Amino acid sequence: EVQLVQSGAEVKKPGESLKISCKGSGYSFTSYWIGWVRQMPGKGLEWMGIIYPGDSDTRYSPSFQGQVTISADKSISTAYLQWSSLKASDTAMYYCACGVGSEYFQHWGQGTLVTVSS
Amino acid sequence: QSALTQPASVSGSPGQSITISCTGTSSDVGGYNYVSWYQQHPGKAPKLMIYDVSKRPSGVSNRFSGSKSGNTASLTISGLQAEDEADYYCCSYAGSSTHVVFGGGTKLTVL
Repeated sequence: EVQLVQSGAEVKKPGESLKISCKGSGYSFTSYWIGWVRQMPGKGLEWMGIIYPGDSDTRYSPSFQGQVTISADKSISTAYLQWSSLKASDTAMYYCACGVGSEYFQHWGQGTLVTVSS
Repeated sequence: QSALTQPASVSGSPGQSITISCTGTSSDVGGYNYVSWYQQHPGKAPKLMIYDVSKRPSGVSNRFSGSKSGNTASLTISGLQAEDEADYYCCSYAGSSTHVVFGGGTKLTVL
């Protein structure tokens, strides 16, 4: 069974850095694309970016390019989403998700709630 | 404003059929057969219901079907059930620079 387990909720201050994680199991981690989706409070889904752990090929939405960094450590089957300087507007639920193709997400993590507040 | 346009809400009675539209452009929905649909219940992660316009993942009820005509994709749910009440999002590949875009979401109410 494919499972994606995300790290726990975070509360941070503006300007702080953060790295959240998503550990995959039950499938070949290097053979699936894995990506991140943002959902701001009461709002819809936003596609942020995606990585292919097999060769680290990474694609970003223009809206998130330069704002976040997506990476993966295939030795521990874990993908990451990181910020160097958080803003209050980064407050949201972040989902990781994976799929055989890069065009859709077949399996989803449980979500990580990030709250940024002074 | 989302790249793909969906109605904010739709409703139907148990047993009826409803259709949710998803309108894009020739650069996304109309240009590729990579439309997918996700169901999201409150407080839960999204669930893939349809991919590649009309394919259903294993385990998804055949009451859910997808189609596309020009720049508009559609999700049809037949034989509505109370458990279908949720938010539904369409999604499309949009080329190598943008990659993937979501619609704004549609809230389905089962009356």
